[in-house]
Amino acid sequence: EVQLVESGGGLVQPGGSLRLSCAASGFTLSDHYMDWVRQAPGKGLEWVGRSRDKAHSYSTEYAASVKGSFTISIDDWKNSVFLQMNSLNTEDTAVYFCARVIQGNYAQDYWGQGTLVTVSS
Amino acid sequence: DIQMTQSPSSLSASVGDRVTITCRASQGISNSLAWFQQKPGKAPKSLIYAASSLQSGVPSRFSGSRSETDFTLTISSLQPEDFATYYCQQYKSYPITFGQGTRLEIK
Repeated sequence: EVQLVESGGGLVQPGGSLRLSCAASGFTLSDHYMDWVRQAPGKGLEWVGRSRDKAHSYSTEYAASVKGSFTISIDDWKNSVFLQMNSLNTEDTAVYFCARVIQGNYAQDYWGQGTLVTVSS
Repeated sequence: DIQMTQSPSSLSASVGDRVTITCRASQGISNSLAWFQQKPGKAPKSLIYAASSLQSGVPSRFSGSRSETDFTLTISSLQPEDFATYYCQQYKSYPITFGQGTRLEIK
């Protein structure tokens, strides 16, 4: 059974940093692209970024709103995806979800339950 | 960036109704369109990908179609568990973008 479990959310001050984790199980992480998507309170879904699979050297793409501040990385020994978030501001307050991308396609299938990040002084 | 315009933004319907939600892409995205269902406090659930392919385990009352840059999600006979917010998403090019959502409420 495919499972994605996010952790690492919490309260952080503006300008601070946080590292989110997404623990993957039930599939081979290195064979899949992986996404991060966020949702601000009461708002819609916003794509944050993507890591490609091992065959594509885990290269990444980011939304313009986070490029240069956020970094996605993969540790396939730990079967985990990470989102390093630096220079956080109040607009980054959101629930952050990780999502698996279907092999051979570019659509998402499985999502984690999300972790809440609150940026506030 | 590709803009996804979803309509309506909200919709009231009754159990057993046939419901249609549309999504228009600002430029061609071929079939690179997905639909998600989200209930309050929960993660989005993937329903359809490649415009019309049903994800495993999704009931057959859900279907998707495409006409050029217009995409449609149809629920053939609403069930109580279908009342939720629905989002379309294009994944043809980066940045991946979502529609603003359609809130489906009980009439």
